[in-house]
Amino acid sequence: DTAVSQTPKYLVTQMGNDKSIKCEQNLGHDTMYWYKQDSKKFLKIMFSYNNKELIINETVPNRFSPKSPDKAHLNLHINSLELGDSAVYFCASGLREQYFGPGTRLTVT
Amino acid sequence: DAKTTQPTSMDCAEGRAANLPCNHSTISGNEYVYWYRQIHSQGPQYIIHGLKNNETNEMASLIITEDRKSSTLILPHATLRDTAVYYCIVRVANSGTYKYIFGTGTRLKVLA
Repeated sequence: DTAVSQTPKYLVTQMGNDKSIKCEQNLGHDTMYWYKQDSKKFLKIMFSYNNKELIINETVPNRFSPKSPDKAHLNLHINSLELGDSAVYFCASGLREQYFGPGTRLTVT
Repeated sequence: DAKTTQPTSMDCAEGRAANLPCNHSTISGNEYVYWYRQIHSQGPQYIIHGLKNNETNEMASLIITEDRKSSTLILPHATLRDTAVYYCIVRVANSGTYKYIFGTGTRLKVLA
């Protein structure tokens, strides 16, 4: 009965590859988000979707493309991975109060 | 472009109150203050939020100064399980939704 789930939990890949992270929420929220937490633990919003529509895009490189097939899902696809993309990526949902997933640790070698 | 500043780290004795300060001197009138915590590398967990009045729930109390330029999160009886990074956040309205601006966080260590 996990509220916000992400897969995979760990992702190790080489530079130049393309990868996806999936997120699902069962809270009935209309709004979902992707955050990036860097090695210094700084959390920054990347994208926000409301009812499958992109609302916030925080000057993220266009190698990152979120996709929301329905309100309960927000996936993150990353093309041509770079070393600097290594981070923990968190999905969240909710409007006035956000519920975070467990995170996906991406390591690019 | 963080809107909050917090001490990097704090220690607190188990059973005592933990008071975590946060400065948000540039906060606007309709922007809320939120507090979340992150234990190890888990997802951030909601604690409490407020606009201008003091707030209390089962986890903590939030004291906001009258000028709203700073606030303090109080954990009344800290336990070892409260050891975590505590983030003070300003929530700003953006394009019909809300955006969290995270601070750098305070690493709280509760000591036995």
